[in-house]
Amino acid sequence: DVKVTQSSRYLVKRTGEKVFLECVQDMDHENMFWYRQDPGLGLRLIYFSYDVKMKEKGDIPEGYSVSREKKERFSLILESASTNQTSMYLCASMQGILSPLHFGNGTRLTVT
Amino acid sequence: DAKTTQPPSMDCAEGRAANLPCNHSTISGNEYVYWYRQIHSQGPQYIIHGLKNNETNEMASLIITEDRKSSTLILPHATLRDTAVYYCIVFNGGSQGNLIFGKGTKLSVKP
Repeated sequence: DVKVTQSSRYLVKRTGEKVFLECVQDMDHENMFWYRQDPGLGLRLIYFSYDVKMKEKGDIPEGYSVSREKKERFSLILESASTNQTSMYLCASMQGILSPLHFGNGTRLTVT
Repeated sequence: DAKTTQPPSMDCAEGRAANLPCNHSTISGNEYVYWYRQIHSQGPQYIIHGLKNNETNEMASLIITEDRKSSTLILPHATLRDTAVYYCIVFNGGSQGNLIFGKGTKLSVKP
């Protein structure tokens, strides 16, 4: 089975801090994604990557950046955390374009 | 915006079949129907997908109408562990995998 591991389940940070969320997948998948999930808004795509060192903006990239230095690892960076970035963050990977997405269990980030 | 319409909630008795409907009346010819579910405090889990033929796997069956404007996900013998939010998504592989998750159906399986 594909395993997508997010480094933290819960994280509490202060406004203005730089925050790193890490995601690792073990199936050599080409494509990796970062979503955030908020009540009433569903899942929204922040960034995705279809290859090492490649990245594409999703629907809500403002305030975020990403890094993909190795195929198995995709990091989400909050350059200066703000309270409106309090959310559940979900990482996902998939092999081909029509292949299923495999999600991690999420990181619940609280910014105070 | 999501291109699917699902009822916001449904109940099902444990051991009975759960039939979750999805309307996708504007689906294009090259779009697949995907189903995911999300159990509380976990990431979404892939269930099944199909183009126009009915599909079955160890988790569920997917019935797609002949005109492809709607589909039904069937959990043949629902258990309490199937309580989750179920998402129906249409997708053609474009936009580099940006699946649009709507609000889904909250399925409650009751003893």
